[in-house]
Amino acid sequence: AQSVTQPDIHITVSEGASLELRCNYSYGATPYLFWYVQSPGQGLQLLLKYFSGDTLVQGIKGFEAEFKRSQSSFNLRKPSVHWSDAAEYFCAVGALILTGGGNKLTFGTGTQLKVEL
Amino acid sequence: DAGITQSPRHKVTETGTPVTLRCHQTENHRYMYWYRQDPGHGLRLIHYSYGVKDTDKGEVSDGYSVSRSKTEDFLLTLESATSSQTSVYFCAISSTSFEQYFGPGTRLTVT
Repeated sequence: AQSVTQPDIHITVSEGASLELRCNYSYGATPYLFWYVQSPGQGLQLLLKYFSGDTLVQGIKGFEAEFKRSQSSFNLRKPSVHWSDAAEYFCAVGALILTGGGNKLTFGTGTQLKVEL
Repeated sequence: DAGITQSPRHKVTETGTPVTLRCHQTENHRYMYWYRQDPGHGLRLIHYSYGVKDTDKGEVSDGYSVSRSKTEDFLLTLESATSSQTSVYFCAISSTSFEQYFGPGTRLTVT
């Protein structure tokens, strides 16, 4: 069974500083990997995804993530954080569901990002 | 944003009562999912659907049932609500086997 670990529950960075959120996954085959962001009281918004190919993927809002198979990691990065980036971030790994297709997502427990002005 | 609505957005109910949550999509996507979100657990899959009348269980399906009679609607029913089902419930949709798009959520409190 797949699993996702986000080791940092809370992270605080200053506005304008760089950001890296860690994600480690466990999955037996080539994973489908995702990062989602959730603002308070909102649903989850897809930031970026990795399926195959280039291991550095670009997403929305200036975010990028790098897939490292040898480390089973998919860390999220942003060169310069804005106050509006304060939110909770979830990493997820997807596995094809055998019954009828579809993609079962397993989520990490999330990292809460606080941005200091 | 994907056209997904959930109703109600907030609900308070008593232990033992049945509750139905509705997810409605305007994207004509094949796959629909119900998740629950709890602190310290992230999101966990309750049930999913891969077509009209085609559903299957996720990892936390006990106490829940679902139905999908039309492509656009996916209903989640708590047959007899318990306090352990107090949570935020999210619906998601996808057109392929890949990325999922989430609705705004329903906050359910069982007293």
